[in-house]
Amino acid sequence: DAGITQSPRYKITETGRQVTLMCHQTWSHSYMFWYRQDLGHGLRLIYYSAAADITDKGEVPDGYVVSRSKTENFPLTLESATRSQTSVYFCASSVGAGNTIYFGEGSWLTVV
Amino acid sequence: GESVGLHLPTLSVQEGDNSIINCAYSNSASDYFIWYKQESGKGPQFIIDIRSNMDKRQGQRVTVLLNKTVKHLSLQIAATQPGDSAVYFCAERAGGYNKLIFGAGTRLAVHP
Repeated sequence: DAGITQSPRYKITETGRQVTLMCHQTWSHSYMFWYRQDLGHGLRLIYYSAAADITDKGEVPDGYVVSRSKTENFPLTLESATRSQTSVYFCASSVGAGNTIYFGEGSWLTVV
Repeated sequence: GESVGLHLPTLSVQEGDNSIINCAYSNSASDYFIWYKQESGKGPQFIIDIRSNMDKRQGQRVTVLLNKTVKHLSLQIAATQPGDSAVYFCAERAGGYNKLIFGAGTRLAVHP
């Protein structure tokens, strides 16, 4: 049971580069989420998706792009990385709107 | 924003004692609450949840209590073990699309 798989787990990139964090879930969950976790701000929602081809902004969407062409994948792209986007990124999923949200193991991103 | 990491409140307990971790939530319209455990370097792990029409729910060694009058949530861990050492987050859901708002977190340190 693979659950939620994030890749890469660790990434160092330079300011201005494009970076894509991948998220894959094997549960066929309808909902998928991207959170970032920072010192001083806890866990904050970046984007979420209720189903394939349906995405919406969360609390801190600026500088990020998402897509959901397939139910099982929800990639997060930083179009032009900035140092303020150095963070730990967590992908999550849930069966439906009122169900438990399960998290992946995280992707550690450093922008230099 | 809320503080995590260096500024995280810490609860220290002896192995075998019971632990109580408290959380104040912000929105009286929240209808669903979850407790997550996060070990160092890992993603948040679901522990237990409770809906607003309940005031208590029990799991294996854990109990969640909900007091809607004062907007307070607590997690009780019975016979705390070293493996329970982690950061514990409460989360509330105030929107219909499963958006979770996370609390600041409490670090639980279990001493032998």
